[in-house]
Amino acid sequence: EDQVTQSPEALRLQEGESSSLNCSYTVSGLRGLFWYRQDPGKGPEFLFTLYSAGEEKEKERLKATLTKKESFLHITAPKPEDSATYLCAVRMNRDDKIIFGKGTRLHILP
Amino acid sequence: DTGVSQDPRHKITKRGQNVTFRCDPISEHNRLYWYRQTLGQGPEFLTYFQNEAQLEKSRLLSDRFSAERPKGSFSTLEIQRTEQGDSAMYLCASSSLLGIREQFFGPGTRLTVL
Repeated sequence: EDQVTQSPEALRLQEGESSSLNCSYTVSGLRGLFWYRQDPGKGPEFLFTLYSAGEEKEKERLKATLTKKESFLHITAPKPEDSATYLCAVRMNRDDKIIFGKGTRLHILP
Repeated sequence: DTGVSQDPRHKITKRGQNVTFRCDPISEHNRLYWYRQTLGQGPEFLTYFQNEAQLEKSRLLSDRFSAERPKGSFSTLEIQRTEQGDSAMYLCASSSLLGIREQFFGPGTRLTVL
């Protein structure tokens, strides 16, 4: 069964404390992996697309990486405004649906 | 450049009533998707359109749910005879047909069924 698993479910960090969020997937034929940020009561905001193992993308304090079975979202020296839920999603070759993980709730303490 | 818009943002209804939500996609996007999200979960696929054609519906979508995109622009999602279990955030997304087809989401409609 196609599945996307994110860990940890929740993470509390002090401002400036770097860490990584994990997204592991078991799908047949990965077409692309996406990271989104979601603030409470709002729709997901697109961050990155990763296509193939070894690829990396960066945006401000965020860097996303991809291997054959998992992706990491590294957050460097986070600020309180980085607090949000980070969602990982995968698209398979066979159709246009994307399957989401449950997300990691990130809370950055000032 | 306007993003995806949804209306209303919030809807409170009584069990058994019908509700309809509207989604306006990014203007040049051919694909339009509906998702449902409950607390602590990721968005769950419901259905999607290419232009006016509905290409796929989730097996989770009961007969009480219907979606349309009559002119290939905006879309509506109707829920008939609402149940308390329908309470959720309903999200709309759109994408182009080019490349990897990243999906861009609207702000969502929060439905509460009393």
